Amino acid sequence: ILNVEQSPQSLHVQEGDSTNFTCSFPSSNFYALHWYRWETAKSPEALFVMTLNGDEKKKGRISATLNTKEGYSYLYIKGSQPEDSATYLCAFYNQGGKLIFGQGTELSVKP
Amino acid sequence: GAGVSQSPSNKVTEKGKDVELRCDPISGHTALYWYRQRLGQGLEFLIYFQGNSAPDKSGLPSDRFSAERTGESVSTLTIQRTQQEDSAVYLCASSLSRGFAEQYFGPGTRLTVT
Repeated sequence: ILNVEQSPQSLHVQEGDSTNFTCSFPSSNFYALHWYRWETAKSPEALFVMTLNGDEKKKGRISATLNTKEGYSYLYIKGSQPEDSATYLCAFYNQGGKLIFGQGTELSVKP
Repeated sequence: GAGVSQSPSNKVTEKGKDVELRCDPISGHTALYWYRQRLGQGLEFLIYFQGNSAPDKSGLPSDRFSAERTGESVSTLTIQRTQQEDSAVYLCASSLSRGFAEQYFGPGTRLTVT
């Protein structure tokens, strides 16, 4: 059974706070790790696809790191804004061809 | 350009009836995926297509579920003899290649079985 765990389940921060959350995945048979943002009433939107150990990707105020040897990825948001409020999903892709999603971290940013 | 589209956006059906959900992927995307999200739960993988073929059907919850894809285009997910536990949002996604490319999601079909 492939388990992708995300923590925390939910997070409430004030506008301007920086925050980070964790995605844990199996370290064997790793191919790729995806991060998506899912806003209420919209479809999930891709943030990053990461494949290499030590990879670090950045998009605006959002960045992510990857450690495939120990099986975790961190997503960081610098200076959170209300529009960052969403559920952040990570997904693990292995040789089997499926993308296994975690349960997500629900972020709420108060003005 | 056009994104992934799904139809219908909402479907209410009676228990025992068959339903067909449709997904139009982004043109040129060879990989297509179906997921569902039941209330209070995460995204659950159902099936993926590489071109027309579906190498892994193990995510389909029961033999009442089937899916097909025509060319590298439209896909339909069929649920026969619907049950109340089939109520969920069904999401379709497509990507340029499987696994390494980001997936583009459609707006979903909300299925309610009464």
